[in-house]
Amino acid sequence: EIVLTQSPATLSLSPGERATLSCRASQSVSSYLAWYQQKPGQAPRLLISDASNRATGIPARFSGSGSGTDFTLTISSLEPEDFAFYYCQQRSTWALTFGGGTKVEIK
Amino acid sequence: EVILVETGGDLIHPGGSLRLSCTGSGFSVSDNYMSWVRQAPGKGLEWVSVFYPGGTIYYADSVRGRFTISGDISKNTVYLQMNSLRAEDTAVYYCTKGRGRTSIYDYWGQGTLVTVSS
Repeated sequence: EIVLTQSPATLSLSPGERATLSCRASQSVSSYLAWYQQKPGQAPRLLISDASNRATGIPARFSGSGSGTDFTLTISSLEPEDFAFYYCQQRSTWALTFGGGTKVEIK
Repeated sequence: EVILVETGGDLIHPGGSLRLSCTGSGFSVSDNYMSWVRQAPGKGLEWVSVFYPGGTIYYADSVRGRFTISGDISKNTVYLQMNSLRAEDTAVYYCTKGRGRTSIYDYWGQGTLVTVSS
């Protein structure tokens, strides 16, 4: 099973600041990595697929990068609605796995 | 418009069984990987199982041998039969639609709560 480690666990930032979230895989997942956003009481929402492809309707301030074992989700300028949990997920091998999540909170 | 509706969540005793259903609209279950993903209270996301007609069925180690995924294409519905339930199976269970034959989850249901407790 591929383990995904997300860091930091919590990111405390102010609106307008840049957020950089990390996801590291225990072995290469090529570019088969996605990012999801989840707000309390809601289902997750797809943000990024295959490391860097924004999903339909996702604002341009969200971007993804990386390949192999190291990936980054960047939010260029935080909007109030961006404060949420973020999860990475690999689809390189079965069983699929998710990272433990990063909480982006208002400082 | 793509919609996923899960039903079947309940309070169940340890060792009991439960069947979850996920009915899709706006797309065909036969054309997409369909998965169940769960989230224990206050915890992260955990992939459970995937179904695709024609033979793609996989399970997480934590549920293999106890859970069975299946589908009824005529009803555009996917099921998760859960047997020998344990307290650690307590979670919100989300039905997810993959983008075609991928596990890029572009649509999620609202979730159904399964509570395993005596």
